[in-house]
Amino acid sequence: GQQLNQSPQSMFIQEGEDVSMNCTSSSIFNTWLWYKQEPGEGPVLLIALYKAGELTSNGRLTAQFGITRKDSFLNISASIPSDVGIYFCAGLKAAGNKLTFGGGTRVLVKP
Amino acid sequence: NAGVTQTPKFQVLKTGQSMTLQCAQDMNHNSMYWYRQDPGMGLRLIYYSASEGTTDKGEVPNGYNVSRLNKREFSLRLESAAPSQTSVYFCASLYGSMNTEAFFGQGTRLTVV
Repeated sequence: GQQLNQSPQSMFIQEGEDVSMNCTSSSIFNTWLWYKQEPGEGPVLLIALYKAGELTSNGRLTAQFGITRKDSFLNISASIPSDVGIYFCAGLKAAGNKLTFGGGTRVLVKP
Repeated sequence: NAGVTQTPKFQVLKTGQSMTLQCAQDMNHNSMYWYRQDPGMGLRLIYYSASEGTTDKGEVPNGYNVSRLNKREFSLRLESAAPSQTSVYFCASLYGSMNTEAFFGQGTRLTVV
């Protein structure tokens, strides 16, 4: 099964809202990556985190590498309709370069 | 730069048939990966190759084999396809060491009937 627990599994956004999602694991990772996937496409890299405690931004996205190296979160500020999609976290272990993904957070627009 | 290229994009197989999914990257990456994604699910690791000449099992390796043909190419083989292998398959690659950003292909949509 999945070694990375990603939550929430889904969320509804209203334009202008800030949203956040996180990923936790019982294992330590050396790198955390955040991806977005749109229908019919492969995942596209949003943010890469390399050091415990690191906070990195990419436009309206901000992600942090947890101090314990077992978790990470992603924030989207001032959400817009094109933010809909599935967001995945991924953890990379330095030994053997095994890259494991979380189950994804599906972001939908509030009706 | 093509990045990560997967072929074919779509495939329909009958139960018991075999086929090989091809993946090639032109970024001089060391590590390559195969994942499957079922509807509403995340990406589950089938096999990966940390470097040329090595392969390791991921979370769901049963029913699959892989070959790291050279640094550029990493193929996934289904010897006897089963309906449970109907899925979207993604190949990914990353350089490794200090550059660990993984890039994905567009996916192969496989249906086994």
